[in-house]
Amino acid sequence: ETGVTQTPRHLVMGMTNKKSLKCEQHLGHNAMYWYKQSAKKPLELMFVYNFKEQTENNSVPSRFSPECPNSSHLFLHLHTLQPEDSALYLCASSQVGRGGHEQFFGPGTRLTVL
Amino acid sequence: AQSVTQLDSQVPVFEEAPVELRCNYSSSVSVYLFWYVQYPNQGLQLLLKYLSGSTLVESINGFEAEFNKSQTSFHLRKPSVHISDTAEYFCAVITSQGGSEKLVFGKGTKLTVNP
Repeated sequence: ETGVTQTPRHLVMGMTNKKSLKCEQHLGHNAMYWYKQSAKKPLELMFVYNFKEQTENNSVPSRFSPECPNSSHLFLHLHTLQPEDSALYLCASSQVGRGGHEQFFGPGTRLTVL
Repeated sequence: AQSVTQLDSQVPVFEEAPVELRCNYSSSVSVYLFWYVQYPNQGLQLLLKYLSGSTLVESINGFEAEFNKSQTSFHLRKPSVHISDTAEYFCAVITSQGGSEKLVFGKGTKLTVNP
């Protein structure tokens, strides 16, 4: 595997379900991100992890719970979601502090909440 | 706070025509600017970036963008587009705060290339 991978690619869940999205980066980066991409809205940054420590929580509802067990893996745990949470969830990684700055994105998980 | 404005939400053009996708950003001391492209049902891919040095940056597939500090712009151009360039294009700027970096995105421009 190369780059940033995300599983599953598609997920349909009911409002009472609990599910998790997984992201893995194979680039040796030290920062990882979750973004939400909805129709008609700009990309929204949800969470930032820098050296496994959460450094940003962009006023995200508590029904979204991130977890970063190591610098290569990032999870987004979902519970009691709402239909308006249906969106494409994108994971990204970057190397902060060495001048690269660009973020590398995974293909996303298309989430549908019924 | 940094912000990015993409003035056109949709740009339809004919194949082999030139195109310009506009991007303006709010002013800051240090500016790092990016263009990302998103093809249907895919994630974002970096198209090109400006970090420092030459204000004209190019991608491998013929796109170029020019950093214009006085106009706070970073417009994306291609002299002759292909059908395969049909995608959504996002302009973004880096903000740095407390040791972490955030990408702030514009709302995106959907480029549709027609035969």
